[in-house]
Amino acid sequence: DIVMTQSPLSLPVTPGEPASISCRSSQSLLHSNGNIFLAWYLQKPGQSPQVLIYLGSNRASGVPDRFSGSVSGTDFTLKISRVEAEDVGVYYCMQALQTPYTFGQGTKLEIK
Amino acid sequence: EVQLVESGGGLVQPGGSLRLSCAASGSTFSSYWMHWVRQAPGKGLVWVSRIDTDGSTTNYADSVKGRFTISRDNAKNTLYLQMNSLRVEDTAVYFCGRDLSGRYDNWGQGTLVTVSS
Repeated sequence: DIVMTQSPLSLPVTPGEPASISCRSSQSLLHSNGNIFLAWYLQKPGQSPQVLIYLGSNRASGVPDRFSGSVSGTDFTLKISRVEAEDVGVYYCMQALQTPYTFGQGTKLEIK
Repeated sequence: EVQLVESGGGLVQPGGSLRLSCAASGSTFSSYWMHWVRQAPGKGLVWVSRIDTDGSTTNYADSVKGRFTISRDNAKNTLYLQMNSLRVEDTAVYFCGRDLSGRYDNWGQGTLVTVSS
């Protein structure tokens, strides 16, 4: 199975400041079609998850442009340029290259 | 935009069975692979199973293989998860998801399964 490792697991952030979450996969997520099968999700308190980023760096429909995703080999980064209060929750990376699809442990973002 | 509504959860004793349903709106249900993902109370997300567009190919997490069966009825726009020989560790909120280029673009509210004596 592909192991997804996130860091940090807890992220206190001051509103207006940037934030960054890292995710590392135990093997390449590069598909033969050239796509990187890595997605980022946010689960706000009491809600179902929602997709933020797909195929490594594509912002999902309706997601604010302060969210961005980047890829470097098996290292993936989710960046929030300026954190807002509504961004609190748990962020997960997920690989969808092969089954079992696997998620990172989750990073809890809180407002300082 | 597709909407997903899960149902069928509840309280069941260890060793019991439940069948979950996921009703999808829209006419494109039959075009997509569908998945089940679960989340134990206070824990992270865990992939459970997936099924291809016509139901001919299925995959399962090792933890549920041989006990759970995923299926779909494209005429009814509905996804199912038959869960047998339930264990305490199967207690979780179960979500269904549509696989769109390696992402779940919409999630339902989930349905809670509690396995307890």
